[in-house]
Amino acid sequence: DVKVTQSSRYLVKRTGEKVFLECVQDMDHENMFWYRQDPGLGLRLIYFSYDVKMKEKGDIPEGYSVSREKKERFSLILESASTNQTSMYLCASSFGGWNQPQHFGDGTRLSIL
Amino acid sequence: QKEVEQNSGPLSVPEGAIASLNCTYSDRGSQSFFWYRQYSGKSPELIMSIYSNGDKEDGRFTAQLNKASQYVSLLIRDSQPSDSATYLCAVYNFNKFYFGSGTKLNVKP
Repeated sequence: DVKVTQSSRYLVKRTGEKVFLECVQDMDHENMFWYRQDPGLGLRLIYFSYDVKMKEKGDIPEGYSVSREKKERFSLILESASTNQTSMYLCASSFGGWNQPQHFGDGTRLSIL
Repeated sequence: QKEVEQNSGPLSVPEGAIASLNCTYSDRGSQSFFWYRQYSGKSPELIMSIYSNGDKEDGRFTAQLNKASQYVSLLIRDSQPSDSATYLCAVYNFNKFYFGSGTKLNVKP
């Protein structure tokens, strides 16, 4: 079974803090993704990565950065947290290729106070 | 126009009935199609994938794909209260995944 592990299930931070969300997958997947999910807005792609040290902006990258130093780990960084970044954050991974589904971690519910 | 459209619901069906969930997509070049189930407060989990026109069955679930009409559907037979969740349709097209906003399904005992 694919295992995608997110470092925290719940996280509370303060405005202006630098926040790190970690994601690790154990299936040697090439692709890794960060989404946020908000009521009524669905899943929105923040950043994705197709290889180590490679990153691509998704639909809503503003206020975020990412790091992928090792194949199994993909980190999302909130440079200076703001209250509008309060959300559920979901990490996903997949093999490369057109027929490969994404597999999700359990999510991190992040609250910025 | 969104890449993937789903009726947000809620869709309410009685226990034991067939639930029919629909999804349309905008790009004819889309290659792969997936259905995810998401329970409240949980992350999406993959339940079905389909790549070619026609039906694909897996237990109580049947995925149907019609590329000419650009829609994909999910049928759940003998619906159970445990099937109550939000169902997300996902479409893969040219190295990118597009997710619908999901249809909320309520199965009433």
